Amino acid sequence: GQNIDQPTEMTATEGAIVQINCTYQTSGFNGLFWYQQHAGEAPTFLSYNVLDGLEEKGRFSSFLSRSKGYSYLLLKELQMKDSASYLCAVISNTGGFKTIFGAGTRLFVKA
Amino acid sequence: DSGVTQTPKHLITATGQRVTLRCSPRSGDLSVYWYQQSLDQGLQFLIQYYNGEERAKGNILERFSAQQFPDLHSELNLSSLELGDSALYFCASSVFGQYTDTQYFGPGTRLTVL
Repeated sequence: GQNIDQPTEMTATEGAIVQINCTYQTSGFNGLFWYQQHAGEAPTFLSYNVLDGLEEKGRFSSFLSRSKGYSYLLLKELQMKDSASYLCAVISNTGGFKTIFGAGTRLFVKA
Repeated sequence: DSGVTQTPKHLITATGQRVTLRCSPRSGDLSVYWYQQSLDQGLQFLIQYYNGEERAKGNILERFSAQQFPDLHSELNLSSLELGDSALYFCASSVFGQYTDTQYFGPGTRLTVL
């Protein structure tokens, strides 16, 4: 079966660093995306990992360990506008390529 | 603004009715994806089209159907609507429809079934 787990909610302070974890169990793994979604708005692309290791892009970094079925999104120098849901999405090649989304982690950034 | 447009933005209808949601992909994108997002289920992949042909199918109900037209716009048809179909429906597009493509999401259509 396919399963993606993320914490439901997290709270962090402006200027701090926060790590949002994602664990997955899926057959035919072919990569993992992170998306940001503000309430009532469309998801927007943050990162894509297919190989093990860390991908850095400005204040955001994403890490993948395929052997452990684990990824995290690291947000540095948090800003109030980073308050949003963060969606982990796995590409599965079972019966055709599909993007399977986790339920998302709602991040609250407080002053 | 992702460049993906969806109409209408809001739709209110009654159980048993049929509605059509429309999506225009970004200029140059050949693939369109449809997703359903409800409060209790997160984002669910429904179906993908590439250049007019169905490429992948997710958790799409038999009451739902979609197509992509020669001009690459797509429509999602929802029939025999039930209360549980109330959700945000997103369309996304990508250049080649490959699994590594970044998908660009439209603003969504909020469907309320009363």
